[in-house]
Amino acid sequence: LAKTTQPISMDSYEGQEVNITCSHNNIATNDYITWYQQFPSQGPRFIIQGYKTKVTNEVASLFIPADRKSSTLSLPRVSLSDTAVYYCLVGDSNTGGFKTIFGAGTRLFVKA
Amino acid sequence: EAQVTQNPRYLITVTGKKLTVTCSQNMNHEYMSWYRQDPGLGLRQIYYSMNVEVTDKGDVPEGYKVSRKEKRNFPLILESPSPNQTSLYFCASSLSKVPDTQYFGPGTRLTVL
Repeated sequence: LAKTTQPISMDSYEGQEVNITCSHNNIATNDYITWYQQFPSQGPRFIIQGYKTKVTNEVASLFIPADRKSSTLSLPRVSLSDTAVYYCLVGDSNTGGFKTIFGAGTRLFVKA
Repeated sequence: EAQVTQNPRYLITVTGKKLTVTCSQNMNHEYMSWYRQDPGLGLRQIYYSMNVEVTDKGDVPEGYKVSRKEKRNFPLILESPSPNQTSLYFCASSLSKVPDTQYFGPGTRLTVL
């Protein structure tokens, strides 16, 4: 199983760009990288997913280097409402992709 | 509205008293999963199901049972709850296997005294 490592917490100010890096040294060839956002007492919510290079949607960008051993979630111009826990998730292709490992996540705190 | 529902949302019970947490999805998803969340440990997968009558263990299955008799429902059963099962539980579903997007329910906060 590809385990992920993220910083435990990060602080930022409103309007700044935030980059959260996830390490996944044992990622398998067929694994995708997915990021989820979770607010207190709510279920996680999908943010973005990618396999290699760069992916961008209306919420975030995801940068994945060629070796795919890490990935960086980029949140442009954060606001107070972006305060949440962010999880990096790598699919387990060895078991057909049904087993998932979320890890402890990164707690982002956005200040005014 | 496409959603995953869980019941109850909050439950306080005593050690050894069997309980069931229900999970239902209305998106015709094949894949469903149960997670528990504890402070500092993130989400840990308990069981998952790939389709009706097909289930398998996640990382922390001890003390839990599941069943998948219908596509839309995936109940979590605690035959003899213990205090170390006090946690926040989430049910999730997706159309197919990872990396497909998982949709999570609102959570069930369980306290076992």
